[in-house]
Amino acid sequence: GAVVSQHPSWVICKSGTSVKIECRSLDFQATTMFWYRQFPKQSLMLMATSNEGSKATYEQGVEKDKFLINHASLTLSTLTVTSAHPEDSSFYICSARDISGRAIDTQYFGPGTRLTVL
Amino acid sequence: DAKTTQPNSMESNEEEPVHLPCNHSTISGTDYIHWYRQLPSQGPEYVIHGLTSNVNNRMASLAIAEDRKSSTLILHRATLRDAAVYYCILRALYNTDKLIFGTGTRLQVFP
Repeated sequence: GAVVSQHPSWVICKSGTSVKIECRSLDFQATTMFWYRQFPKQSLMLMATSNEGSKATYEQGVEKDKFLINHASLTLSTLTVTSAHPEDSSFYICSARDISGRAIDTQYFGPGTRLTVL
Repeated sequence: DAKTTQPNSMESNEEEPVHLPCNHSTISGTDYIHWYRQLPSQGPEYVIHGLTSNVNNRMASLAIAEDRKSSTLILHRATLRDAAVYYCILRALYNTDKLIFGTGTRLQVFP
């Protein structure tokens, strides 16, 4: 099946610093990627939809100035957590949509990035 | 997208079949039923999806009720590696592609 990678797999940073997380589709092109956040023992919460060549669409309650998304190419989307604080510590997961010309398509998820803000 | 209801947790013994139920009484005619699972500390992975007919693949089977208001994911022989949270998600054809995750069912498999 299709592969989506994330880098880094985990990161620890000091409060107030910015952290960039990369999401790559390795063997297919993805015009649309999605960013989720997951707190311990909770379900995934969609943060934003990343569209290649245009601005991301953020879900209600997600601060666009804090979570910067750049979809620079058909295989790469980045999420930058700016001025991170301990409450931003979470598991960040991306997914990419592989349409492949099919009517119903599947999303492929990355392995996740665990962010810990001290 | 319509809402789904799943039990919070289920248990199974290894090599036994597991039936994971999902209720979706407000499903519309164009909603597909998708199942994803998330192993510990990993991203979700696609399991199976269907519209009206039962579906089989190498991972599982999906049994869909005739009125489509419920479905059951069937793992024919559970293994320890099947321990995960299983999510049942409805997704409209040609929707905005968002997947909205509910709370899912945490499956524990005992040796």
